[in-house]
Amino acid sequence: SQKIEQNSEALNIQEGKTATLTCNYTNYSPAYLQWYRQDPGRGPVFLLLIRENEKEKRKERLKVTFDTTLKQSLFHITASQPADSATYLCALERGGNKLTFGTGTQLKVEL
Amino acid sequence: EAQVTQNPRYLITVTGKKLTVTCSQNMNHEYMSWYRQDPGLGLRQIYYSMNVEVTDKGDVPEGYKVSRKEKRNFPLILESPSPNQTSLYFCASSLIGHSYNEQFFGPGTRLTVL
Repeated sequence: SQKIEQNSEALNIQEGKTATLTCNYTNYSPAYLQWYRQDPGRGPVFLLLIRENEKEKRKERLKVTFDTTLKQSLFHITASQPADSATYLCALERGGNKLTFGTGTQLKVEL
Repeated sequence: EAQVTQNPRYLITVTGKKLTVTCSQNMNHEYMSWYRQDPGLGLRQIYYSMNVEVTDKGDVPEGYKVSRKEKRNFPLILESPSPNQTSLYFCASSLIGHSYNEQFFGPGTRLTVL
């Protein structure tokens, strides 16, 4: 069956460091992958999309990589700030405008 | 302001009492969807709609109904709620035919079924 894995343990890092979150998947061949941010009690907010033929995508302090051979996406936040603390979700396209979401990784950026 | 709205935001009800959660978007999106979010299970799709009068089941449709009579509205109906439907529900919308379907989510509805 199709499966998406994100690290369920919270990631704690110091302000100013680079946070790296992982999204692994099996039994998928997604045309693209998305990353969302979710704050407690609120709806997810779209951050970035990367297509299967793209290796890397950047937006300000965010960077996403997509390795279709390893079936893995990495999400990086450089120069992290306490305001970056949130849960980050990856979502894979599975045809017909449908997305399958991972369970998310909680990031805590400490002063 | 472009947005997806949901009502109510919080609801406590009892088993078997029919309820409707409304969802509305003002972005003229064709695609709308309902998700539920539970700890450790992530966001799971309940139903989706590609356009008016076109709906289809997602991954966890049992116990839910939807309708799409107007493009902007996509209500979620629980005919006979049960405690296992206690969850956080999100409505989302997106364009179809766009280069990618960035989904816009509503603020969520926290439902408790006693």
